[in-house]
Amino acid sequence: NAGVTQTPKFRILKIGQSMTLQCTQDMNHNYMYWYRQDPGMGLKLIYYSVGAGITDKGEVPNGYNVSRSTTEDFPLRLELAAPSQTSVYFCASSATVNTEAFFGQGTRLTVV
Amino acid sequence: AQRVTQPEKLLSVFKGAPVELKCNYSYSGSPELFWYVQYSRQRLQLLLRHISRESIKGFTADLNKGETSFHLKKPFAQEEDSAMYYCALGGGTGRRALTFGSGTRLQVQP
Repeated sequence: NAGVTQTPKFRILKIGQSMTLQCTQDMNHNYMYWYRQDPGMGLKLIYYSVGAGITDKGEVPNGYNVSRSTTEDFPLRLELAAPSQTSVYFCASSATVNTEAFFGQGTRLTVV
Repeated sequence: AQRVTQPEKLLSVFKGAPVELKCNYSYSGSPELFWYVQYSRQRLQLLLRHISRESIKGFTADLNKGETSFHLKKPFAQEEDSAMYYCALGGGTGRRALTFGSGTRLQVQP
């Protein structure tokens, strides 16, 4: 089973560049999430979605955008990369908010 | 506001010693609590949730509403338990995503 697949695994961006982190899941989960993990800071919620066509902001949404056109896909867009966005990004999905969340392998992003 | 606190960044024990990873939460309703674990080079994965009251890999966690705690315990640590452990608070009123603590790295030395 593929579960949650994130691409790319690593990326280096220059300041001001844009990119899209891809996330897809094959478990037919309604809930999908994007978290960022900074050293020693745990996981902070960027955006989440409770179903196709519905997205909402988390704790740290500034500088990011998302869309949820299908149940399977939940891409995260960085429009103008800044050094503060250097982090490890995790996508996750779950059937409901309080059932097991399944995580992707993470994307390590460096903005220089 | 929901908040999860894990006071220890690093916990180092010897093999066979007891382990307790601390987690305190702040939430006004009935909490759903979880422990997630990330082994080296692996994905973050669910270890256990309080509602199931299971023992997974020898770990247990009891919800103490009076102390607002959900500490993770294991009587005898094994080297393969070395990993990053995250306590998480489930969704509730007005919030539909997990809130994670900052994590505790457990090192089990031989």
